[in-house]
Amino acid sequence: KAGVTQTPRYLIKTRGQQVTLSCSPISGHRSVSWYQQTPGQGLQFLFEYFSETQRNKGNFPGRFSGRQFSNSRSEMNVSTLELGDSALYLCASKGEETQYFGPGTRLLVL
Amino acid sequence: GQNIDQPTEMTATEGAIVQINCTYQTSGFNGLFWYQQHAGEAPTFLSYNVLDGLEEKGRFSSFLSRSKGYSYLLLKELQMKDSASYLCAVRPPGSGNTGKLIFGQGTTLQVKP
Repeated sequence: KAGVTQTPRYLIKTRGQQVTLSCSPISGHRSVSWYQQTPGQGLQFLFEYFSETQRNKGNFPGRFSGRQFSNSRSEMNVSTLELGDSALYLCASKGEETQYFGPGTRLLVL
Repeated sequence: GQNIDQPTEMTATEGAIVQINCTYQTSGFNGLFWYQQHAGEAPTFLSYNVLDGLEEKGRFSSFLSRSKGYSYLLLKELQMKDSASYLCAVRPPGSGNTGKLIFGQGTTLQVKP
C-alpha cells in the first residue's frame, strides 16, 4: 500500500496570507489527524477528521481549520498567517490502532 | 491536561543497550505509543502498549506500567542509524480509539562509535 502523502512539501508565505495543505491517507483509512511540530512546543494535535466529520480538536485558534472529502483526503487551512505559524505540519492516517505519519509540509512564514 | 515527561537527551555507544523512560499522568489512559523521528523526517511508528507488560519487536522493546504511569523503550545492539528523536505519546482519556495523541517533547538519542 502507498503511504501517506502530503502536498506541498515546502511552502513560503508572508504574514497575513492564508495557506491550504493537503493530505492523502493510506488507502482504506478513514481517520486523518493533523499535527503541528515546532522546536519549542514539539508535536501538537490540531484536529482529526473521520468520515468527513471533525471528531477531535486541539487547542488552536479558529484560524486553523480543516475538512475531509468523501475519498478521505483532507485539507487544512490557516488564515491570517503569523510568524509563529512557521512549523512542520504533519498529517497522520489511522488504521485499527496505529497512526502513520506523512512526510509533512514545512511552512515558513516571513 | 496530560503531562508527559521524557529525558531531553541521551548518549550511548554502538552495540550497547539504552532505556528511554516516559512518565505520564495516570488520571486517564487509553494507550501509549512510541515513535522514532530522524532529523528532517516524519515520525515512524515503533510500538503500542495498552496493557501492562513488555512488548518485544526485534531490537526494540516497550514496557508499560499503568498503575505507575510509566513506560520505557529499550533499544538493544545499538546501531549508528538509531541516532534519532524518540517520542512517547499517550491517547488521552475520553478520546476512544481516535487519532488524538498527546506527545512528549521527545528524547534525542546520540549513538557514538
